[in-house]
Amino acid sequence: DGGITQSPKYLFRKEGQNVTLSCEQNLNHDAMYWYRQDPGQGLRLIYYSQIVNDFQKGDIAEGYSVSREKKESFPLTVTSAQKNPTAFYLCASSMVRVAFFGQGTRLTVV
Amino acid sequence: AQKVTQAQTEISVVEKEDVTLDCVYETRDTTYYLFWYKQPPSGELVFLIRRNSFDEQNEISGRYSWNFQKSTSSFNFTITASQVVDSAVYFCALRGGGADGLTFGKGTHLIIQP
Repeated sequence: DGGITQSPKYLFRKEGQNVTLSCEQNLNHDAMYWYRQDPGQGLRLIYYSQIVNDFQKGDIAEGYSVSREKKESFPLTVTSAQKNPTAFYLCASSMVRVAFFGQGTRLTVV
Repeated sequence: AQKVTQAQTEISVVEKEDVTLDCVYETRDTTYYLFWYKQPPSGELVFLIRRNSFDEQNEISGRYSWNFQKSTSSFNFTITASQVVDSAVYFCALRGGGADGLTFGKGTHLIIQP
């Protein structure tokens, strides 16, 4: 089935550690996005990529990094510089200006 | 800067009632796109509808209908004869003419009581 796969579904991180969230799509979409969702805050854009080997910062990119080496994959690294990383992270891909989302990764700092 | 406002944080109605979710947006783009997404408890965002700024026709899809009015910068969503399965958080979102992602409202938590 075509879609967007995020893994893992739940992730626990110790303070000071970097963690990488996976996002894979088989929809052949060019554009991919990472959003962060906090309770009562809606979704905010972290990074986006329109083509392979190119990506742009969104509204809250500090403390995060991404790569886009393949069209299908857009992993997000949450670095130790991110002061408040506990949140729900959603990946999306886009075609014809409609974004389709994965099931999300819930990251908790312990 | 773009902005989407969903003033209703939470709405609770009894099953079979009609309910309208409000969305007001701000943008300087002349071409833009408006969206509604549904987020059930599982967390995944489900796409419901996209509207182009140059198409003000209202749309009906089964029990769902959307009212887009550029004059008031609003894109409201109505569910007719609500059902318990409609319970979710609903997000209104805006995208400009570029490809730089969506601007979301804070969402409306809709509770349909049996």
